[in-house]
Amino acid sequence: EVQLLESGGGLVQPGGSLRLSCAASGFTFSSYAMSWVRQAPGKGLEWVSVISGSGGSTYYADSVKGRFTISRDNSKNTLYLQMNSLRAEDTAVYYCAKGRTLAPPYPLDAFDIWGQGTMVTVSS
Amino acid sequence: DIVMTQSPDSLAVSLGERATINCKSSQSVLYSSNNENYLGWYQQKPGQPPKLLIYWASTRESGVPDRFSGSGSGTDFTLTISSLQAEDVAVYYCQQYYSSPPTFGQGTRLEIK
Repeated sequence: EVQLLESGGGLVQPGGSLRLSCAASGFTFSSYAMSWVRQAPGKGLEWVSVISGSGGSTYYADSVKGRFTISRDNSKNTLYLQMNSLRAEDTAVYYCAKGRTLAPPYPLDAFDIWGQGTMVTVSS
Repeated sequence: DIVMTQSPDSLAVSLGERATINCKSSQSVLYSSNNENYLGWYQQKPGQPPKLLIYWASTRESGVPDRFSGSGSGTDFTLTISSLQAEDVAVYYCQQYYSSPPTFGQGTRLEIK
């Protein structure tokens, strides 16, 4: 069964850091681009970042550029999101999501598998 | 950034009736080299992650009931539920993946009348 399981969320003070993880199973992890998408309480979906299957290409939303870093360890089938200089407006459920296309030429894609999400709360 | 605008924001439809949700992009998401529209539709039920329903604007994801269909090209797209079932109550989002950043519409809340 194809599955994504996020972890690492929690309560953090403004200016603090947090690292999210997403453990993947049931598919050839290294062959797919992976993204992080967040959803603030009661709000819509906001794409955060994407990384290609090899890890060689990354893209970020302007709202997190310079503060967040996406990475992956294909030997561990795990995706990461390092979040620094956190702000109140980063409070959200963070989902990891799998790109639909096998070995795409370009990492942007529809998202066919989503994790259950992990909640990040930035508050003093 | 490409702005995705959905209409209406909310919709109430009777069971068994047709539901139609529109999505308009601020620029074309049709890629001329492969003639594909880089547009997806998602369903999100309360407390759950989104679920992919449609990709390439009109291709139904495996396992999605055939009462769900997508249409449109360029900048104007539609998600149609041909005969509304109780389990279809959800928020629906369109998403473009034509250019970075991929962007979502604001969502359309679908309820039973």
